[in-house]
Amino acid sequence: AAGVIQSPRHLIKEKRETATLKCYPIPRHDTVYWYQQGPGQDPQFLISFYEKMQSDKGSIPDRFSAQQFSDYHSELNMSSLELGDSALYFCASSSRPLGEQFFGPGTRLTVL
Amino acid sequence: ILNVEQSPQSLHVQEGDSTNFTCSFPSSNFYALHWYRWETAKSPEALFVMTLNGDEKKKGRISATLNTKEGYSYLYIKGSQPEDSATYLCAFVHGSGNTGKLIFGQGTTLQVKP
Repeated sequence: AAGVIQSPRHLIKEKRETATLKCYPIPRHDTVYWYQQGPGQDPQFLISFYEKMQSDKGSIPDRFSAQQFSDYHSELNMSSLELGDSALYFCASSSRPLGEQFFGPGTRLTVL
Repeated sequence: ILNVEQSPQSLHVQEGDSTNFTCSFPSSNFYALHWYRWETAKSPEALFVMTLNGDEKKKGRISATLNTKEGYSYLYIKGSQPEDSATYLCAFVHGSGNTGKLIFGQGTTLQVKP
């Protein structure tokens, strides 16, 4: 069965650079969630989309933006990267808000 | 602030032992409680979604119970096997104007020795 795809799997950036993370949900899933897991921390909710509209926002820095496109894939754009942005970024998709969430393998971002 | 607590943080057991972990969550405004199994370098895998007080769910040797009135859920593994070694995450979904975002606990890391 098709799963959630995230790319890239690993990313190394310098401070103040920009990064774009991509998430391709399971086919026919219209809801996407982004989570950030810092070293030794719980995964934290960043932002979610339903039917290409932002549905909820968590503790996402103003330097980050995200959107969901017409094909339901989502991109998380991160600018002016800081050392503290180094984390594992998960994307999850669901067939509806409040439904079961299926996770991708994550993108590990390292900021040097 | 909504807090989800899991205990213990880590657990080492011998193959064949049965074990259980606890997830504590706010008892008010409950919508659902998710359990995930997460192996290193893989995607978190959904085990159970629990919504009703008194729910008991089972998948093979793994089962879970839910008490929404007192705000806890137990995950049980019967006859642990080395392939059960993973981090087990619970995640709470509250029911007040929610869009489904998960509030995670810190996880319980299980190591099963052959």
